[in-house]
Amino acid sequence: QVQLVESGGGLVKPGGSLRLSCAASGFTFSDYYMTWIRQTPGKGLEWISYISGSGDTIFYADSVKGRFTISRDNAKNSLYLQMNSLRAEDTAVYYCVRDIDVPGTFLYFDFWGQGTLVTVSS
Amino acid sequence: QSVLTQPPSVSAAPGQTVTISCSGSSSNIGKKYVSWYQQFPGTAPKLLIYENDKRPSGIPDRFSGSKSGTSATLGITGLQTGDEAHYYCGTWEDSLGAARVFGGGTKLTVL
Repeated sequence: QVQLVESGGGLVKPGGSLRLSCAASGFTFSDYYMTWIRQTPGKGLEWISYISGSGDTIFYADSVKGRFTISRDNAKNSLYLQMNSLRAEDTAVYYCVRDIDVPGTFLYFDFWGQGTLVTVSS
Repeated sequence: QSVLTQPPSVSAAPGQTVTISCSGSSSNIGKKYVSWYQQFPGTAPKLLIYENDKRPSGIPDRFSGSKSGTSATLGITGLQTGDEAHYYCGTWEDSLGAARVFGGGTKLTVL
């Protein structure tokens, strides 16, 4: 069965960095787009970034562009999110999500990890 | 400020029917598939409806989706107390490149 397990969250000071990881299993990882989505405590969902199966197509939300970097290692079935210059408003639960696409079209998110909490505070 | 607009809350009694709206524009819902996600407190969202009106395996047929123009609707019939959750609509946005977008979420209360 599909499993997505995030790790790497924690408490970090403003301006600091953190790297999130997501270990995927139960499917052919390299066949799928993957996405990071975050949720501020008590608030809604915010899409952050996606990466294609091969890693050659990447897109970011304006709120994180230039600060966050998404990457993947298909040999390790792993997705990553490098977060730099963190701000208080980046405090959220970060979800690793499988992104279902056909060429040129996003369809839906079918599997979500359990999430990892990132807290940015001095 | 979410790209898609949902009512913050809806409520209904057990056994009744409720609908949750999701309003967008011609650059998102108007030309794209809509999906719906259910989230219970402290847990990750779960896919409820995809490609406007399809249900994944295991989702009861009490849940339905539809789309007309630049709006989509989630319907839940025969409400149960276990349906009390947050519901989010999602799609993607042409005017923002290929950004995925969500509604702000709707809290369903089963009275």
